[in-house]
Amino acid sequence: DARVTQTPRHKVTEMGQEVTMRCQPILGHNTVFWYRQTMMQGLELLAYFRNRAPLDDSGMPKDRFSAEMPDATLATLKIQPSEPRDSAVYFCASGEIPDSLNTEAFFGQGTRLTVV
Amino acid sequence: QKEVEQNSGPLSVPEGAIASLNCTYSDRGSQSFFWYRQYSGKSPELIMSIYSNGDKEDGRFTAQLNKASQYVSLLIRDSQPSDSATYLCAGEGWTDKLIFGTGTRLQVFP
Repeated sequence: DARVTQTPRHKVTEMGQEVTMRCQPILGHNTVFWYRQTMMQGLELLAYFRNRAPLDDSGMPKDRFSAEMPDATLATLKIQPSEPRDSAVYFCASGEIPDSLNTEAFFGQGTRLTVV
Repeated sequence: QKEVEQNSGPLSVPEGAIASLNCTYSDRGSQSFFWYRQYSGKSPELIMSIYSNGDKEDGRFTAQLNKASQYVSLLIRDSQPSDSATYLCAGEGWTDKLIFGTGTRLQVFP
């Protein structure tokens, strides 16, 4: 079953706590994106990786957010400390980039984060 | 200015009509464009991709790309109530960064 798997699906946490979200990309995909979606801002690109190397994390607040890919089957997004304004749905998407462009990215189910 | 812009809608069309969704982009380096559909509470689902100027048809969907005018559109023929969703336009530039518009909400009424 080729799909992007994200855990947890829902997370409620108190302000100041650390939150870790995990993503298992589709096997064989070499590109992983992290997005945050809110009603006001839509889908914002936070970071993305190619062959496990970070290419761009300019969309991410560096003081509290970090993204890593410890191996080809796992990407993580960590928030420490979390704040109420971080409440959003966080999506992971993966794609396979051939020699040419054209990244068809496939999304996971998302992690709905609520920081109280 | 956002890199990819869409009218937020809602766009309301009667069942059986053609729905026309539009998107403009600012980065002339953008090479590839994608349309995603997102139902409420669900994740975005890829429905069309287009890389060259002109039209690309897939069933009831037609994507149109005009790089000179920097716009992309999606036509949905014979619209059905099940097409009611938010449609997201995305563009990809030389860096492979995939940037999304804020989406257009489509409502198809019986």
